[in-house]
Amino acid sequence: AQKVTQTQTSISVMEKTTVTMDCVYETQDSSYFLFWYKQTASGEIVFLIRQDSYKKENATVGHYSLNFQKPKSSIGLIITATQIEDSAVYFCAMRDLATGGNNKLTFGQGTVLSVIP
Amino acid sequence: EAAVTQSPRNKVAVTGGKVTLSCNQTNNHNNMYWYRQDTGHGLRLIHYSYGAGSTEKGDIPDGYKASRPSQENFSLILELATPSQTSVYFCASGDWVYAEQFFGPGTRLTVL
Repeated sequence: AQKVTQTQTSISVMEKTTVTMDCVYETQDSSYFLFWYKQTASGEIVFLIRQDSYKKENATVGHYSLNFQKPKSSIGLIITATQIEDSAVYFCAMRDLATGGNNKLTFGQGTVLSVIP
Repeated sequence: EAAVTQSPRNKVAVTGGKVTLSCNQTNNHNNMYWYRQDTGHGLRLIHYSYGAGSTEKGDIPDGYKASRPSQENFSLILELATPSQTSVYFCASGDWVYAEQFFGPGTRLTVL
């Protein structure tokens, strides 16, 4: 069975610094997708970034980037030049191709990020 | 313009009553999903659908039914609501290829 674990319950950083949030996963499959989502204080859940397991290059979107370490089953989210509005809960999620066409995701428990001005 | 919308946004129901939560998407995605989010449990999948006319059980389907009458619409039905079903419910849609899901704004349901 798939499992996604985020061990950091909460993180606080100063504005304009860089933060890394950790995520490790378990899967039986050799091909899978990894995702990060952001949940704002209003409750909105927003898709941020995806990593395909067969790609060696780390994905980057805006000031979000990933640190994908396949041998360690690890996918860290890096936010550079953090802003106050980055304060939110961040979820890691995984879909392995063994689940077929339903594209079911397995989510981690989330990490609360607080950006301090 | 929001691609996944949910109604109602807030709902108070009585124990034993019937509750229907509605979801509409304009992403033209085949797959749609219903989750609930509770403190300490994260997002848990209730039901999902591959397309119009199909519904499948997720990880916690007991006490819930789903209906997918069209590509755009997916409903979650609580025939006999219980206080344990008090939660925030999210609908999402996703495509076949990459599997990222796009979420609606959520519905806060309170069952008294």
